[in-house]
Amino acid sequence: KNQVEQSPQSLIILEGKNCTLQCNYTVSPFSNLRWYKQDTGRGPVSLTIMTFSENTKSNGRYTATLDADTKQSSLHITASQLSDSASYICVVSDLLDGGSQGNLIFGKGTKLSVKP
Amino acid sequence: NAGVTQTPKFQVLKTGQSMTLQCAQDMNHEYMSWYRQDPGMGLRLIHYSVGAGITDQGEVPNGYNVSRSTTEDFPLRLLSAAPSQTSVYFCASKTWGEQYFGPGTRLTVT
Repeated sequence: KNQVEQSPQSLIILEGKNCTLQCNYTVSPFSNLRWYKQDTGRGPVSLTIMTFSENTKSNGRYTATLDADTKQSSLHITASQLSDSASYICVVSDLLDGGSQGNLIFGKGTKLSVKP
Repeated sequence: NAGVTQTPKFQVLKTGQSMTLQCAQDMNHEYMSWYRQDPGMGLRLIHYSVGAGITDQGEVPNGYNVSRSTTEDFPLRLLSAAPSQTSVYFCASKTWGEQYFGPGTRLTVT
């Protein structure tokens, strides 16, 4: 069964510190992996999208890595800010996006709290 | 561009009532979808549409109907609300490689 598992479930860090969130998946065939940020009471917003051939992608202080062999991804946040407090969702697509369809398998998310 | 818009933002229904959650996008995307998000669970796909006039069921379609008469609009109908449908509902539209979510509708069924 296609699954996406994220860890930890929740995380509290101090402002200015770095952190890494994990995502393991058992989705096959693999098309791409996305990380979303979801602020409380808002819809998810895309941070990064990585295909099979990409093993790292950055978006400002966010850096995502992908190991397609071990089916693992991580999201590293550098120099955290209070505004980074949110849920981070890992999503894996099991179909090619060419037809703009694709099955998206969502992880349950990691809830990050950044404290002053 | 307004992106993906949803109305209402909040709604309280009594069991058995019906209502329609509205969703619109101005990006000319063919693919649109509805998800529900419950505590401790990932987003689950309710229905999706690959273009005007075409809809299909997702993972949890029971109790919901959809239609797609235009590219822009994709309403979700609850014909007879049940407490199990208490959730946050997200509409999304998708183009090649990118999916955009609306702000969500928080629905409570008592």
